Amino acid sequence: KNQVEQSPQSLIILEGKNCTLQCNYTVSPFSNLRWYKQDTGRGPVSLTIMTFSENTKSNGRYTATLDADTKQSSLHITASQLSDSASYICVVSGGSGYALNFGKGTSLLVTP
Amino acid sequence: DAGVIQSPRHEVTEMGQEVTLRCKPISGHNSLFWYRQTMMRGLELLIYFNNNVPIDDSGMPEDRFSAKMPNASFSTLKIQPSEPRDSAVYFCASSLAQGTGLGSGTQYFGPGTRLTVL
Repeated sequence: KNQVEQSPQSLIILEGKNCTLQCNYTVSPFSNLRWYKQDTGRGPVSLTIMTFSENTKSNGRYTATLDADTKQSSLHITASQLSDSASYICVVSGGSGYALNFGKGTSLLVTP
Repeated sequence: DAGVIQSPRHEVTEMGQEVTLRCKPISGHNSLFWYRQTMMRGLELLIYFNNNVPIDDSGMPEDRFSAKMPNASFSTLKIQPSEPRDSAVYFCASSLAQGTGLGSGTQYFGPGTRLTVL
């Protein structure tokens, strides 16, 4: 069964600190992996998309890594800001029909 | 562009009533997606259209749910009859896909419709 597991479920950090969110998946065959940021009361916004051949991709203070061998991805946030408080969702495309497989998200709270 | 537009933003209805959610995708996009999000189940894909044609509706929960895309600029998701367990936030997203694969193209989400069925 194609699954996407995210950890931790929730995280609280101080403003200015770094943090790393994890995404492990069992989806096969693999097409691509995306990280979305979802602010409260809004729709998800795409942060990064990575294919099999890409190991890392950055979008400002967000850096995503992908290890296709171990089927793991991480999202690193550098110098966190209050506006980073949101839910971060990992989505893996692949499997039969290249379906979209969703993680349940990590809820991040950045405090002053 | 105004982005993906959804209406209404909030809907409260009673069990058994018909509910229609509306979506206007970004102009020029060829793919449209309907999602449902709840605390328990997270984000779930309900149905996916490519060039106005339903490609994958395997996520539609049951026959009470139906979706149409009569043209490239409009789609509806209908629930009839509605039940309390249908309460969720429903998102519409659109993308410019390079094929019919679900994973191609960046998806742009609308603000969502928060549905409450009493």
